[in-house]
Amino acid sequence: RKEVEQDPGPFNVPEGATVAFNCTYSNSASQSFFWYRQDCRKEPKLLMSVYSSGNEDGRFTAQLNRASQYISLLIRDSKLSDSATYLCVVNMGGSNYKLTFGKGTLLTVNP
Amino acid sequence: DAGVIQSPRHEVTEMGQEVTLRCKPISGHNSLFWYRQTMMRGLELLIYFNNNVPIDDSGMPEDRFSAKMPNASFSTLKIQPSEPRDSAVYFCASLRMGGATGELFFGEGSRLTVL
Repeated sequence: RKEVEQDPGPFNVPEGATVAFNCTYSNSASQSFFWYRQDCRKEPKLLMSVYSSGNEDGRFTAQLNRASQYISLLIRDSKLSDSATYLCVVNMGGSNYKLTFGKGTLLTVNP
Repeated sequence: DAGVIQSPRHEVTEMGQEVTLRCKPISGHNSLFWYRQTMMRGLELLIYFNNNVPIDDSGMPEDRFSAKMPNASFSTLKIQPSEPRDSAVYFCASLRMGGATGELFFGEGSRLTVL
């Protein structure tokens, strides 16, 4: 099993749609989780951290299910500017911050 | 504030040549990462350093790859000899351990093409 596995995508959705991405991780001892966004031919950037109780930032909601070793990202009312690759990131190293990335899921929002 | 600085941004070289990629992390950051990104494999963690000490190099593909961090403000990733399958975008990233978010800041990447 890969350390961090994501939906392969790609996702093509119309503006205004709600879209959800899923991610599973192999190390049950992992403590911190993140979603990063990467635009075409650019570097990845932090979108949001994922907290145990779930968290929301505007149209974005992140959730964690430790029992199933599963993380999700929900985007509501998607915009053209949301088109990007979304990367699930898991800290596999505890205080050593071994940040392991999933392969990413490409989202295209169409007008 | 300056971000993570990588050089060169682009390099085209021939198989067998030595390649050296350079990185200057954000001042005050004490953890530095080297990643490689390809379409097939995504972002792979090659090696990371905490306080200039290599912590985990299990992602380094083979002995042709080596990385050093002689001080807190500079790191290199060397490939010798290079092969066509090394063609990828190499990212350096840094973070401050103990920071509030654990956010990883990336450089713009070094795009390597080995012919």
